[in-house]
Amino acid sequence: SYELTQPPSVSVSPGQTVSITCSGDKLGDKYGCWYQQKPGQSPVLVIYQHTKRPSGIPERFSGSNSGNTATLTISGTRTMDEADYYCQAWDSSTGVFGGGTKLTVL
Amino acid sequence: EVQLLESGGGLVQPGGSLRLSCVVSGFTFSAYAMSWVRQAPGKGLEWVSSISVGGGTTYYADSVKGRFTISRDNSKNTLYLQMNSLRAEDTAVYYCAKTIEGGGHSWFDPWGQGTLVTVSS
Repeated sequence: SYELTQPPSVSVSPGQTVSITCSGDKLGDKYGCWYQQKPGQSPVLVIYQHTKRPSGIPERFSGSNSGNTATLTISGTRTMDEADYYCQAWDSSTGVFGGGTKLTVL
Repeated sequence: EVQLLESGGGLVQPGGSLRLSCVVSGFTFSAYAMSWVRQAPGKGLEWVSSISVGGGTTYYADSVKGRFTISRDNSKNTLYLQMNSLRAEDTAVYYCAKTIEGGGHSWFDPWGQGTLVTVSS
């Protein structure tokens, strides 16, 4: 079955730039997306089709893709960005999520 | 304002059944595919099932195939998930999500607040 691999945790200082990666076979062909989930809340879409940002999502969130790896980058990270981040893609009409990355802002 | 409101969760014994509902408002329900995604306590997200706009095409995760059935009633703006032969490992918060399709791919936006299903004796 298809798998997406994310680092379990990442930390960043406020105001700095942080990147979270998501790796999967031929992920570049699958137009992955990213969700942010804060404790006790439902997930929120922050990036879709690898690079597009939904309305209402701050410009500091951006996505990129290269081959088998998709990357979520947060520029000028704020303490409010501390959350779990999940990548997601589709493979043969099956939805697949990465294991999630806990972003700590300290 | 787009709203998705799940209900029907609760405590059920192993082998039992439960039907979840998701009532939506704020968008044309019949124009969008819909999905269920779950999250076990303290764990990550797991896609469960998706259904096409008319309900004629459905997709399931291997972990629930043959036990769960997704359906929709476009006249009632409601999505359903019938869960049979429930197991302890089905314990999770179940989210419904509007599923947007584009360029041959799709994404979930927005999500409901979730309903907790606990399978335990």
